Amino acid sequence: AQSVTQLDSQVPVFEEAPVELRCNYSSSVSVYLFWYVQYPNQGLQLLLKYLSGSTLVKGINGFEAEFNKSQTSFHLRKPSVHISDTAEYFCAVSEFDGGATNKLIFGTGTLLAVQP
Amino acid sequence: DTAVSQTPKYLVTQMGNDKSIKCEQNLGHDTMYWYKQDSKKFLKIMFSYNNKELIINETVPNRFSPKSPDKAHLNLHINSLELGDSAVYFCASKGQAYSGNTIYFGEGSWLTVV
Repeated sequence: AQSVTQLDSQVPVFEEAPVELRCNYSSSVSVYLFWYVQYPNQGLQLLLKYLSGSTLVKGINGFEAEFNKSQTSFHLRKPSVHISDTAEYFCAVSEFDGGATNKLIFGTGTLLAVQP
Repeated sequence: DTAVSQTPKYLVTQMGNDKSIKCEQNLGHDTMYWYKQDSKKFLKIMFSYNNKELIINETVPNRFSPKSPDKAHLNLHINSLELGDSAVYFCASKGQAYSGNTIYFGEGSWLTVV
């Protein structure tokens, strides 16, 4: 069975500072990895994904994430955050097999709170 | 054009009522899902359909009955609503494996049971 751990429930940061949101996963098979963002009272938007190839993945809004297989991590980073980045961020994993039974397993989310 | 659309976005209803949430995707995907987000923001899969066939049922109470009239639609009907059903319900869809298994979500339906 797969699981996802987001170690920080909330990350406060000042505007223009760098940020890292941590994500670790557990799986007995190869996986795809995703980060989704949820702005207040809105739906889930795909931020970026790792499927294969380069372990450094760039996403929308200046975010990037690095897949580290040995540490089973997929941490999300941004070099300089804006007030508008304040949102809930979810790390998710799905099995590499990708069959009809494939599903996303989510972490518990990290609230990124950007302060002026 | 919205890829995955669900209606209504907000729904307030009394305990014991029956309500439905509709979902449609225009991505041509074969697989659709319902996810539930509870008050602590935790997201968990409820159901998955592939080409109108039920594939995943994550031990959801049988008051919840999904229906897929075609592969572009997956509706969720809830009978005898309870206070604990208050949550945000997300519809989602996924294409074939060659598209990277990316799952696209709708905007959510905020259900409040009073």
